[in-house]
Formats: sequence, structure tokens, C-alpha cells
Amino acid sequence: DVKVTQSSRYLVKRTGEKVFLECVQDMDHENMFWYRQDPGLGLRLIYFSYDVKMKEKGDIPEGYSVSREKKERFSLILESASTNQTSMYLCASSRRTGLAGYNEQFFGPGTRLTVL
Amino acid sequence: GQQVMQIPQYQHVQEGEDFTTYCNSSTTLSNIQWYKQRPGGHPVFLIQLVKSGEVKKQKRLTFQFGEAKKNSSLHITATQTTDVGTYFCIQGGGADGLTFGKGTHLIIQP
Repeated sequence: DVKVTQSSRYLVKRTGEKVFLECVQDMDHENMFWYRQDPGLGLRLIYFSYDVKMKEKGDIPEGYSVSREKKERFSLILESASTNQTSMYLCASSRRTGLAGYNEQFFGPGTRLTVL
Repeated sequence: GQQVMQIPQYQHVQEGEDFTTYCNSSTTLSNIQWYKQRPGGHPVFLIQLVKSGEVKKQKRLTFQFGEAKKNSSLHITATQTTDVGTYFCIQGGGADGLTFGKGTHLIIQP
């Protein structure tokens, strides 16, 4: 059974704190993604990675950074958390992009982050 | 870049009625994927469409990709309470990267 796991289901942090969100997949997938999901806005891509040590900005990278030192692990870092980063964060992985475009994504359970 | 408009945002139906959600783009889509997200859950992949005019079925669900590859639909026949959730599309191909519909929330009244 394929699996994407995230380090926490719920997290509460204070403004200005450095926050690490971890994602691990066991499917040997090349692509990994970080999204945030907010009511009325849907899924928005923050960053993605198509290989170890490689990263690409998504639609809303400001205030975030990422790290991919190992194939199975993709970390999202909030350098200095702010209240507008309160959200549901979803990680996903997929096989390497093919001729028909991106392959199906497998999502983790999500981390609901609250920044006070 | 590309944008994918998804309608409606919310749909209330009586159990047993049909339901349809649409994803529309002003430009040609490389492919389209459909996902379902149950309340409190995470998105789960349903199907991917690649070819112009493609139609795929999964039990009571029918997925279509338009001839011009600018729109797609998901139709559920005779909804059941287990169909409750948010259905959204993801376009993912080529240089345009990934674009997302905002989702249609399906609410079913018994």
C-alpha cells in the first residue's frame, strides 16, 4: 500500500518562529510537491521537486523554502511564520513526468498549521 | 499562464439525483486529472484523461475530455451519500506546469 506521510496532523506556532513540515513517501517517486489549501482558493502550489536537491517555485513561494536531500523526503520551511500562513498544508508525490504530462499524485493526510 | 475555471463552486442535490462538475480553459490542455477529497480527508486520484474526446467510466462516474481539449466534465449518476466531498481537476502538462480548478463541493441531502 503506497503511502505519503506528514510529520504532524496539527501544529500550532507563534509568529516569527521557524517551522519545519516534513513529508516522506515510500514509492520511490521522483516528483514531490507542497501545497496549501484554503477555503475558496483551492489547492495552490508552493514548491515542487523533480529530483534530489532540485526544486522549482510554484505559484506562491514567498515566505517558504524547501529542502530535498533524499529522494523520499521533502521538507517545507517557513523561515519566519506569519498569521497569513495559517492553512492546511498538503504534500504529494508522483512518478517522473511522462510524455502525457504529470502523472497521478498521491497526497499525504495534511498538516493543519495555525500561526498565532 | 493557463487557468482552469471550475463550476459550480457548490452543488446541493437530493440523494439519487445526478451531479456534474465542469473544468474549462481558454487554452488547450495537455491532460486533465480528477480528484476527490472527502470532508476532513486528503485528495485521492480518480482518473486521468489525455486524448481529445476521451470518455472514461468508473461505475456511476463518467469523465469526459472535450474534442478541443479545452474542457472536461465529471458526471455522477444517481448520487449516494458516499459521493459527498469536493471534486477538483488538475491540468498538468508541458511548459505550463500545473494548474488547478478550485473544486466543486458536492452536498447530498438524504
